[in-house]
Amino acid sequence: GAVVSQHPSWVICKSGTSVKIECRSLDFQATTMFWYRQFPKQSLMLMATSNEGSKATYEQGVEKDKFLINHASLTLSTLTVTSAHPEDSSFYICSAREGGWQETQYFGPGTRLLVL
Amino acid sequence: SQQGEEDPQALSIQEGENATMNCSYKTSINNLQWYRQNSGRGLVHLILIRSNEREKHSGRLRVTLDTSKKSSSLLITASRAADTASYFCATANNAGNMLTFGGGTRLMVKP
Repeated sequence: GAVVSQHPSWVICKSGTSVKIECRSLDFQATTMFWYRQFPKQSLMLMATSNEGSKATYEQGVEKDKFLINHASLTLSTLTVTSAHPEDSSFYICSAREGGWQETQYFGPGTRLLVL
Repeated sequence: SQQGEEDPQALSIQEGENATMNCSYKTSINNLQWYRQNSGRGLVHLILIRSNEREKHSGRLRVTLDTSKKSSSLLITASRAADTASYFCATANNAGNMLTFGGGTRLMVKP
């Protein structure tokens, strides 16, 4: 199946730092990428949807200035957590979809962020 | 409550037994997907069933979909200890811009 990678896997940073997480589709071109956040023992919550070359669409309650998303190419999307605070500590997971809405989303392995 | 709610929240069975998990949703969907997540890891796609399908099989997995009841079930037959994980259902809306996850079922298979 299609492979999606994320980098880094783990990041620990001080409060106030900005952290960039990369999401790559390795063997297919992702027209749409999604970013999710998952707190311990909870389900995934969609943060935003991004289409290559367009501005991301953010879900209600997600601050676009806090979570900057860039989808500059068909194989790469980045999520930057700006001025991270301890409450931003979470598991961030991206997914990518090659075609339209009827296609499967493939998920990355996730990035665990711990803000001290 | 959110779209896609799994039942039960937790399930503990012996190896070799079958495990059944249910998922209910509220709005119309294009398709429903089941995923597995091992602790602290990413999601693995298991199976996708479209709204015009009623049943699909993949190895030891059997998924049913009842759009009239807005529900789906995932059956894992002859379970193994390696099946221990959280299982999520996710529904894709007809607009194609969202995949909404349920709360998940934590399955433990005891050897």
